[in-house]
Order: sequence, then structure tokens, then C-alpha cells
Amino acid sequence: TQLLEQSPQFLSIQEGENLTVYCNSSSVFSSLQWYRQEPGEGPVLLVTVVTGGEVKKLKRLTFQFGDARKDSSLHITAAQPGDTGLYLCAGEENNQGGKLIFGQGTELSVKP
Amino acid sequence: ETGVTQTPRHLVMGMTNKKSLKCEQHLGHNAMYWYKQSAKKPLELMFVYSLEERVENNSVPSRFSPECPNSSHLFLHLHTLQPEDSALYLCASSQDDGSGNEQFFGPGTRLTVL
Repeated sequence: TQLLEQSPQFLSIQEGENLTVYCNSSSVFSSLQWYRQEPGEGPVLLVTVVTGGEVKKLKRLTFQFGDARKDSSLHITAAQPGDTGLYLCAGEENNQGGKLIFGQGTELSVKP
Repeated sequence: ETGVTQTPRHLVMGMTNKKSLKCEQHLGHNAMYWYKQSAKKPLELMFVYSLEERVENNSVPSRFSPECPNSSHLFLHLHTLQPEDSALYLCASSQDDGSGNEQFFGPGTRLTVL
């Protein structure tokens, strides 16, 4: 079974700071997704990256898929309190009917 | 609003009770999933239904029993649960067509077993 290691697990920063969350595996994924989850709610899909080296931007969020499709990063520029939440990466296993393997998540707190 | 609804949102039950969780998706998807989310642990996939057939059962105890009567509805029947089963139970759906597996989640049911 493939595993995804997410780091850091917890991050508390001030409004306006930049941050990067990492998602690493020793295995290759056919795609990787990033979700954001707020307390009391389910995860909401932010982006899917499919091609090795792919970079996608969503306003102040930049997502990158590693060249070998084993790792990914999420960079937030000028974080806002509204960015607070649990960020989850999920890799789609190869040849496993599209089953997703989730990382343990990064809890981000952005203080005003 | 993700197009996936779950009821109830909160449930407290005793170890001898029988209850059911309900999930409904309004996205026209053909695959549905049950996940368990416990504190400080990754989401654990419990069951997968594709085209109303169960295709995954991740060694889940028999006290959890899924049911998928059609492609829009998914149930999780619970009986004689244990306190360690307390968690957030999430339902998700996706379009299983081999072109990626973007899953859309419901808000979850927060289950507490006393």
C-alpha cells in the first residue's frame, strides 16, 4: 500500500506570511489532489495535478506535482485568516481503480 | 455545497443501538465511498461502490454494514458499535470513468458511541 507523508502537521502563522506544505511518497501516483477541510465540514477539492512537473495556481495558492509524480507541494502567498483549515493531499493509486490514499493533513492557523 | 448531503450531521448512540447513516449525491456520479476520519489520522477508506456494486471493503468490522440501493444513495448501517468507533464518517462520490478520481465529499456525520 502506498503511503503519503504530509509536513508539517501543524502550522501557525501571522496574516501576510508565506508558507509551504509538502506531501511526499516513495511511490508514483497517477494524479494527486489537494483538499481543504474546515471544522465540522467535509474536505473540499482545491485542485488536481496529473502531469509530472505540473504547476497550477488558484489565486494565492500554488500547487506543484513533482517531476516523478511522487511528491507535491502547496504554497500559499500572503496568508489570510480565511485560509485557516486542514489541508489534505490525496494520491490516486496506479491500477487500483482510482482509490485515493490520503496524507494525515496539515492544520493551518492564520492569525490576524 | 458540494452536491453531496449526509444525515444526520450528529449522532450519539449507545453500544447496543442500531442506527443508519445516509448519504445522497446530486452530481450524477457512478461511484460512492465511505470514509472514517479520526483525530490525527489519515482518512481511512471503508467501502467503495461503483455502479452500485461493492468493489472495496477495507477489512472493516462487520458491525458496519453498507448498502447502496442506487447510484445516488448510500447507507451505512451501524450495530453494536464500540467507543473507538467514534469519529467523523464522510461520504464521497466521483465519476469513475478512468480519467481521474476527483471525489466530492459530504459534510460528514459526527458519531459518538457511549
